[in-house]
Amino acid sequence: GAGVSQSPRYKVAKRGQDVALRCDPISGHVSLFWYQQALGQGPEFLTYFQNEAQLDKSGLPSDRFFAERPEGSVSTLKIQRTQQEDSAVYLCASRKTQGEQFFGPGTRLTVL
Amino acid sequence: AQTVTQSQPEMSVQEAETVTLSCTYDTSESNYYLFWYKQPPSRQMILVIRQEAYKQQNATENRFSVNFQKAAKSFSLKISDSQLGDTAMYFCAFMKLRAHNDMRFGAGTRLTVKP
Repeated sequence: GAGVSQSPRYKVAKRGQDVALRCDPISGHVSLFWYQQALGQGPEFLTYFQNEAQLDKSGLPSDRFFAERPEGSVSTLKIQRTQQEDSAVYLCASRKTQGEQFFGPGTRLTVL
Repeated sequence: AQTVTQSQPEMSVQEAETVTLSCTYDTSESNYYLFWYKQPPSRQMILVIRQEAYKQQNATENRFSVNFQKAAKSFSLKISDSQLGDTAMYFCAFMKLRAHNDMRFGAGTRLTVKP
């Protein structure tokens, strides 16, 4: 497809479970971003990749959050031992090098 | 640190009318980008319009235009001839020109276009 895709669209996890969220960026886009969007709020930055290098992870809220992009294309955001406060929509975005970011549809994570 | 403030949590407008959404930001940077994104219930964030701070001319995209006041750090979005499909959350966002990383978003304004 032409846009950014994310899977799954919805994920329900029991507290303490590990989850993995996938992002397929637009082909050829060098930069990839993960955001967390709490209900009724704007997206908040989590981490940034340039190709396979994670250049900024300052927004990750705890060491339970881990992201990777091993081949500079698909990225996975992993959350270990999920907590209720992790419930949010997780957005992925990509861009060529500068300027506009193109967003995926997001994954809504609900932790029970 | 950059902050983006949207002071209108909700707004409504009649179809075909004009509405203006407000956004202010705080930064010490002189060059940066500003954006308005639309997020309909489907959650897909869609770029509406962008403005480079070094350009004095206000950006326009069809029915969408901005009023960029750099000194006042204000970046409002005007939607003319509102359509039902404009109903969505609208987010104002800031990004440093020389930064490769994050974009800072406001809390959003929920716009409802009424028939």
